[in-house]
Amino acid sequence: KAGVTQTPRYLIKTRGQQVTLSCSPISGHRSVSWYQQTPGQGLQFLFEYFSETQRNKGNFPGRFSGRQFSNSRSEMNVSTLELGDSALYLCASSDKGLYSSTDTQYFGPGTRLTVL
Amino acid sequence: SQQGEEDPQALSIQEGENATMNCSYKTSINNLQWYRQNSGRGLVHLILIRSNEREKHSGRLRVTLDTSKKSSSLLITASRAADTASYFCATELYSKLTFGKGITLSVRP
Repeated sequence: KAGVTQTPRYLIKTRGQQVTLSCSPISGHRSVSWYQQTPGQGLQFLFEYFSETQRNKGNFPGRFSGRQFSNSRSEMNVSTLELGDSALYLCASSDKGLYSSTDTQYFGPGTRLTVL
Repeated sequence: SQQGEEDPQALSIQEGENATMNCSYKTSINNLQWYRQNSGRGLVHLILIRSNEREKHSGRLRVTLDTSKKSSSLLITASRAADTASYFCATELYSKLTFGKGITLSVRP
């Protein structure tokens, strides 16, 4: 099976702009989670989608949003970009069921976002 | 906020030696997982141990879990230069993974 793919791999934006990142999970995986990784804060959970529904959400402002499509592909959007949003954004998919725990998450290579 | 805290923050060893990394956490968990990350790339899952398990092995990896002390350790035996990476523990509760800040392991050839 193909792994988790993320596009684009690198992105440069300016403050105030918005950005949309895309994630394609492993075929058959219905759970997609997003994480932000920065040198200062480390890896922080953004949100998780399962079957097009947001099931979990981290402590990020409303500028960070996401969605999942019927084919399990997911997008995350960041509006009104700030310098502090510069980070590696990682997407992970899992084959866990509706009521089971996370089990193994398979990560994509990430999207490196730089905000100038 | 970070749940897991790894110790030490950085570790440098010679090839062939064993590497031991520790992780402590604060709340209840369903399971604890260890991941590896090479140079700011995606994370690779190494091993998962459930809250009712005490020890697990996978190849050169051995992980232990002590829920009474809320701590876990990851042992990599016979380390190789290719093991050089950042290692993260992550605790899972209610379908949410919370990562520590990671340990940087350097294995000298």
